[in-house]
Amino acid sequence: DAGITQSPRHKVTETGTPVTLRCHQTENHRYMYWYRQDPGHGLRLIHYSYGVKDTDKGEVSDGYSVSRSKTEDFLLTLESATSSQTSVYFCAISPSSGNTIYFGEGSWLTVV
Amino acid sequence: GQQLNQSPQSMFIQEGEDVSMNCTSSSIFNTWLWYKQDPGEGPVLLIALYKAGELTSNGRLTAQFGITRKDSFLNISASIPSDVGIYFCASSRGFGNEKLTFGTGTRLTIIP
Repeated sequence: DAGITQSPRHKVTETGTPVTLRCHQTENHRYMYWYRQDPGHGLRLIHYSYGVKDTDKGEVSDGYSVSRSKTEDFLLTLESATSSQTSVYFCAISPSSGNTIYFGEGSWLTVV
Repeated sequence: GQQLNQSPQSMFIQEGEDVSMNCTSSSIFNTWLWYKQDPGEGPVLLIALYKAGELTSNGRLTAQFGITRKDSFLNISASIPSDVGIYFCASSRGFGNEKLTFGTGTRLTIIP
């Protein structure tokens, strides 16, 4: 158990509604990441954070925003959910950029 | 974006057999990682490679960082039922984990 809690674990939402996924860590790690996993694509980085209020875009950041107001929480927001954002979202943490990344258990999001 | 070609996509083997899978890319990478994902869970790191030519073992698992820095392989010896799952390679152009690129996975199934 890497001390990562994702919430909600499962959510069904309607197109056009805002959605926020939360990642909470108890490890005090500096780096936090949000990935999405889709069949045929593996895991793709959405955004990551290298400290409080410090974030950067990943490979598939369009349509997503993030915030990190404290070390332990990293929020992923879909301002207006679309069906193409139906996916499994994984949060990950690492103590530094050169260390092992630990993944959470995932959040299943369905946009109908 | 960067792409990793992971093969095979799936494998059906009998318990006790050895397994080999690989990842290739047209780009040079400085970090190669191998993860395993069980159903409904996040990926778990198996082996990390940081140097071209490096050969690293973790129990029955052995992975190598290709000398050209464009490929890596993972071998599993004497497979057992708990080896079932999806194996992902991941790589980074840097020596950190900020922007990992993941392969599309190899699904390993053990036939009774």
